[in-house]
Amino acid sequence: EAEVAQSPRYKITEKSQAVAFWCDPISGHATLYWYRQILGQGPELLVQFQDESVVDDSQLPKDRFSAERLKGVDSTLKIQPAELGDSAMYLCASSFHSNQPQHFGDGTRLSIL
Amino acid sequence: QKEVEQNSGPLSVPEGAIASLNCTYSDRGSQSFFWYRQYSGKSPELIMSIYSNGDKEDGRFTAQLNKASQYVSLLIRDSQPSDSATYLCAAENTDKLIFGTGTRLQVFP
Repeated sequence: EAEVAQSPRYKITEKSQAVAFWCDPISGHATLYWYRQILGQGPELLVQFQDESVVDDSQLPKDRFSAERLKGVDSTLKIQPAELGDSAMYLCASSFHSNQPQHFGDGTRLSIL
Repeated sequence: QKEVEQNSGPLSVPEGAIASLNCTYSDRGSQSFFWYRQYSGKSPELIMSIYSNGDKEDGRFTAQLNKASQYVSLLIRDSQPSDSATYLCAAENTDKLIFGTGTRLQVFP
């Protein structure tokens, strides 16, 4: 079964540094989502793309976070500068259409020192 | 504030028993509902989706939806130790998923 690919799996960096995460959705999936999940909580949506366009970034801390999906396929989420509170699991998900079930990648576990 | 509420657990059941996981949601506009299973340190895995009132069965799993009561549940029959995980309930509204905090299920031999 096709999967959502994410890299890296783990990232350890110091505060104030820049970090970037990459996601390649399931082929043909137009909608792509980035979530942040803090231990013991459910995933929280950061940004949603429909093809190359952002349709929801209301919960994205835009002073330090940015996301792009330039060609409407793979996507990058960046944090600069990273803060201690950014330590979390960053999950990418995709769906064929925005009202269809979402499928998650393996996630990136980010630790800020 | 649109919310999805779940009891955090842990819910402990013996092997072979039925595990019943519950979820309530606040937004009456929600149309689609999903259950995800998440093993410790792993990403969520979709196990059930339900869109209309009533029951939906898939193998050992049954999802139940009652829109009037704003209530969704997941039943796991013949629970196995491998079912031990956190189960996330999610409600969709305006093409956006709102997740609960999850219920941790422990199935003991």
